[in-house]
Amino acid sequence: DGGITQSPKYLFRKEGQNVTLSCEQNLNHDAMYWYRQDPGQGLRLIYYSQIVNDFQKGDIAEGYSVSREKKESFPLTVTSAQKNPTAFYLCASSTAKPGPIMRQPQHFGDGTRLSIL
Amino acid sequence: AQSVTQLGSHVSVSEGALVLLRCNYSSSVPPYLFWYVQYPNQGLQLLLKYTSAATLVKGINGFEAEFKKSETSFHLTKPSAHMSDAAEYFCAVSATANQAGTALIFGKGTTLSVSS
Repeated sequence: DGGITQSPKYLFRKEGQNVTLSCEQNLNHDAMYWYRQDPGQGLRLIYYSQIVNDFQKGDIAEGYSVSREKKESFPLTVTSAQKNPTAFYLCASSTAKPGPIMRQPQHFGDGTRLSIL
Repeated sequence: AQSVTQLGSHVSVSEGALVLLRCNYSSSVPPYLFWYVQYPNQGLQLLLKYTSAATLVKGINGFEAEFKKSETSFHLTKPSAHMSDAAEYFCAVSATANQAGTALIFGKGTTLSVSS
């Protein structure tokens, strides 16, 4: 079955440590996204990528970094500069092509819950 | 700029009662609108989408939503709630290219509780 796989499901970060969250999709989607979810705040966009080797900052990119070396993969690194990393992180993908507006829905992985040790 | 407001962070209904979850949007262009459901510790699942074809949209699990341009609303309804409907629901509007590329703009979510 096609879908999005996020790993690990739970992750713990020590002070000053960088951690990387994995996101892999086999839906042949061009666009991929990372969202952060905090209770009562909905989903906030961290980074998105519409094509391999290209990505853009979302609303809350500070303290995070991404890469898009392969169409199937869009890993997110939470750096030590992110002072409040505890949250639920969701990866999504879509068939959206660059254009004035997005018409296609996004497909989501099951998330990674990150906590501070 | 695109934005979504979900009225009511928490809605409680009895099993068999009508479910109504409210969503109002702001859009500088004709919008595309989506409703998603999230169960605890899981990702989001698409319930339904409005892409200008029909104003009444039917989705999965018996849910439907009506697009009302005059009220800038896209409320989600279900005639009879089931215990398995208890979850968090998100309304989303499509972003424009100069706002966030191809991303969606999400509301803050509404938690639905269903009692027996």
